[in-house]
Amino acid sequence: DAGVIQSPRHEVTEMGQEVTLRCKPISGHNSLFWYRQTMMRGLELLIYFNNNVPIDDSGMPEDRFSAKMPNASFSTLKIQPSEPRDSAVYFCASSSDSGVEELFFGEGSRLTVL
Amino acid sequence: AQSVAQPEDQVNVAEGNPLTVKCTYSVSGNPYLFWYVQYPNRGLQFLLKYITGDNLVKGSYGFEAEFNKSQTSFHLKKPSALVSDSALYFCAVRDINYGQNFVFGPGTRLSVLP
Repeated sequence: DAGVIQSPRHEVTEMGQEVTLRCKPISGHNSLFWYRQTMMRGLELLIYFNNNVPIDDSGMPEDRFSAKMPNASFSTLKIQPSEPRDSAVYFCASSSDSGVEELFFGEGSRLTVL
Repeated sequence: AQSVAQPEDQVNVAEGNPLTVKCTYSVSGNPYLFWYVQYPNRGLQFLLKYITGDNLVKGSYGFEAEFNKSQTSFHLKKPSALVSDSALYFCAVRDINYGQNFVFGPGTRLSVLP
């Protein structure tokens, strides 16, 4: 099993640029989560999907952030335009709804906005 | 709404000594509790979970956790700490009555001193 796959692992961009982070969940998992981790705020839930439908996006900071899940095997998190305060590690995680299953995390995408 | 508290930002323990990382929770329904570990520049890795049954749960790398319903606690323990256990530890609760969401604690940094 390949696990949750995120790309890119590292991204350095300039303020105002568009950033797209990608995630491939574990096959068969029907819940997908995007988290952001910073030293100041810790681990924050941004949005999560169930069966490709966004269920809770209350953690999305503002309109500059958007997330999509066009199918069960792919999700994107987009920031447009990016700002230095968006610098963080962004994690994607997936889980199954059969029973009470744990979350499986990707290795994260480290974003630096200059 | 559910919540998780980890009262210690940092725990220091000598190698070979027992370790405890504390977690308390608040949920409206049945508590489904998890522990994760994060090593530097890595994603969170699942250690163990409590769903039902025995209050003492055994997990990966020799870790175990004790569920205490009356104290609403789920402390992580290990009888003999290793330097390689040094990492960031997160407690989490999942309330399936709230859309399968996970809520994570702020994390506790464990340092095992040689």
